[in-house]
Amino acid sequence: SAVISQKPSRDICQRGTSLTIQCQVDSQVTMMFWYRQQPGQSLTLIATANQGSEATYESGFVIDKFPISRPNLTFSTLTVSNMSPEDSSIYLCSVLQATNEKLFFGSGTQLSVL
Amino acid sequence: KQEVTQIPAALSVPEGENLVLNCSFTDSAIYNLQWFRQDPGKGLTSLLLIQSSQREQTSGRLNASLDKSSGRSTLYIAASQPGDSATYLCAVAGKTSGNTPLVFGKGTRLSVIA
Repeated sequence: SAVISQKPSRDICQRGTSLTIQCQVDSQVTMMFWYRQQPGQSLTLIATANQGSEATYESGFVIDKFPISRPNLTFSTLTVSNMSPEDSSIYLCSVLQATNEKLFFGSGTQLSVL
Repeated sequence: KQEVTQIPAALSVPEGENLVLNCSFTDSAIYNLQWFRQDPGKGLTSLLLIQSSQREQTSGRLNASLDKSSGRSTLYIAASQPGDSATYLCAVAGKTSGNTPLVFGKGTRLSVIA
């Protein structure tokens, strides 16, 4: 199974600032995904990040607010820009393992915006 | 648009009981269904994956069933233990795996009392 290291695990940020979340995978993967889990809600896909191309964003999410980098097959970052209290959530990265089609997740980033 | 519902939202049982968690989905044209476990402050751990052509999958004390025609899946946990306390999420993948994002339910929060 893929092992994903995600950091930071949590942060408290001021309104108007930006936070970059990093995900490192222990193996090469084609598809990486970024999810958001708001309090009491299910996971919502923000975007799909493929190496060598721009990320594909889901409805309601835009690149200016959530820029994503995918410089190689083992690493990705998600930036939450110009944060407001509504951005307070858990952010999770995940990868799809092609061999068994299972989705593996990082440990998540608990973000609180004051 | 696929919608996934999990009932109950929360469940508390004494140690040793067998229990069933329910998941329903509105579009039966799925590729697979996964059950995850989420511990507080941690990411998701994949428990079982059922392909659309399968009826059930088993891993240790866990058994997941799938009835695609009725849009339902159950997760059966035998002889529950306090260590089983967590939130259990089900998620369905659309017809093309890897290209269609998983749609998650809100989860069932399970407490097993010693």
